[in-house]
Amino acid sequence: QVQLVESGGGVVQPGRSLRLSCAASGFTFTDYAMHWVRQAPGKGLQWVAVVSNDDTRKYYAPSVWGRFTISRDNSKNTLYLQMNSLTDEDTAVYYCVKEKEHGSYHDYWGQGTLVTVSS
Amino acid sequence: DIVMTQSPDSLAVSLGERATINCKSGQSLLKNSNNKNHLAWFQQKPGQPPKLLIYWASTRDSGVPDRFSGSGSGTDFTLSISSLQAEDVAVYYCQQYYDVPRTFGQGTKVEIK
Repeated sequence: QVQLVESGGGVVQPGRSLRLSCAASGFTFTDYAMHWVRQAPGKGLQWVAVVSNDDTRKYYAPSVWGRFTISRDNSKNTLYLQMNSLTDEDTAVYYCVKEKEHGSYHDYWGQGTLVTVSS
Repeated sequence: DIVMTQSPDSLAVSLGERATINCKSGQSLLKNSNNKNHLAWFQQKPGQPPKLLIYWASTRDSGVPDRFSGSGSGTDFTLSISSLQAEDVAVYYCQQYYDVPRTFGQGTKVEIK
């Protein structure tokens, strides 16, 4: 069965960096685009970024563009999110999300990892 | 960016009664290339990740009870729960996957009256 397991969350000071990982299993990782979606405490869902199956195309939400970088290592079945210049507005649970097929809906979500930006 | 607006923000429905959530997009989500509406509905319970309920605006995901149904086209969509059960208490989100950035509605909280 599809499993997406995020890691790397924690408490970080404003202005610092953090890298999240998502270990994928139960499907052919190289066939699917992958996304990050976040949710601030008590708030709604916010899409963050997407990377194509071959790591060549990447798109970002305006709020993270230039600070966050999405990437993947298909040899390790792992998705990453490098987050730089963090602010308190980046405090959220970050979910790793699989796309069903090119340009379509999200069909599987990980359990999420909490990132807290605080001094 | 495509703005997604849900209504109401919350609703309380008696057990066994119908719940209806609306979602309006800032532009049509119907793509000529596949003649499909690029809209999904998710259910999120406290402490859990979102769960896919409906995709292509009206197709139920595998295992989703048939009391959940999606309808609509273009810019106006609806999620209906025909007979509310206690386990349906959750926050429901619509999301467009027509374009990036993908955007969600603000969520609708469904409670038992």
